Amino acid sequence: GAGVSQTPSNKVTEKGKYVELRCDPISGHTALYWYRQSLGQGPEFLIYFQGTGAADDSGLPNDRFFAVRPEGSVSTLKIQRTERGDSAVYLCASSLVLASPINEQFFGPGTRLTVL
Amino acid sequence: AQSVTQLDSHVSVSEGTPVLLRCNYSSSYSPSLFWYVQHPNKGLQLLLKYTSAATLVKGINGFEAEFKKSETSFHLTKPSAHMSDAAEYFCVVSDREYGNKLVFGAGTILRVKS
Repeated sequence: GAGVSQTPSNKVTEKGKYVELRCDPISGHTALYWYRQSLGQGPEFLIYFQGTGAADDSGLPNDRFFAVRPEGSVSTLKIQRTERGDSAVYLCASSLVLASPINEQFFGPGTRLTVL
Repeated sequence: AQSVTQLDSHVSVSEGTPVLLRCNYSSSYSPSLFWYVQHPNKGLQLLLKYTSAATLVKGINGFEAEFKKSETSFHLTKPSAHMSDAAEYFCVVSDREYGNKLVFGAGTILRVKS
């Protein structure tokens, strides 16, 4: 079956602009995660959805970042007033949620965001 | 809080020789631990996971890792490196107490020489 897909694969924008990044999880996966991977670093957690609600948004760096998942499937990460420091690869992952054991997160290919 | 330290940012081995990528973690009593691999311009792929069953975990492509609680380590090994193993490897910790979010190490770039 289809894996996690993310669009666009690349996004170049100017400082101060607004961007939206989209994630399509694996069908039936109720949990959805966003991570950010800066150059030379490991991915860092941003936000976690269980169904439609954000169960944990503790990784969002500031209030310019926002994410939604209105129907419990597709998610959009929104960044307002982009800054050069927002340049990174934004990764989306999805998983089933079962009681035990912990479930594998399946990652999409990422969106490379470049803020000029 | 959880954290992961990958002790080597770069490892270089010759094809056919053993691979050792080192990882130490800090977490609660019962963490889950993973190794992910990332090939250039490709997505993250799970190599193996430890979830409190057997301490020696076997993964794909001949990789394995051993969970050592006393040393808080989860080192990744492979008996014989192949050219296709060249990639970046991430050690990852997760804890149900923190909502199953993954905490990644900084990564180890593995180079395989012919």
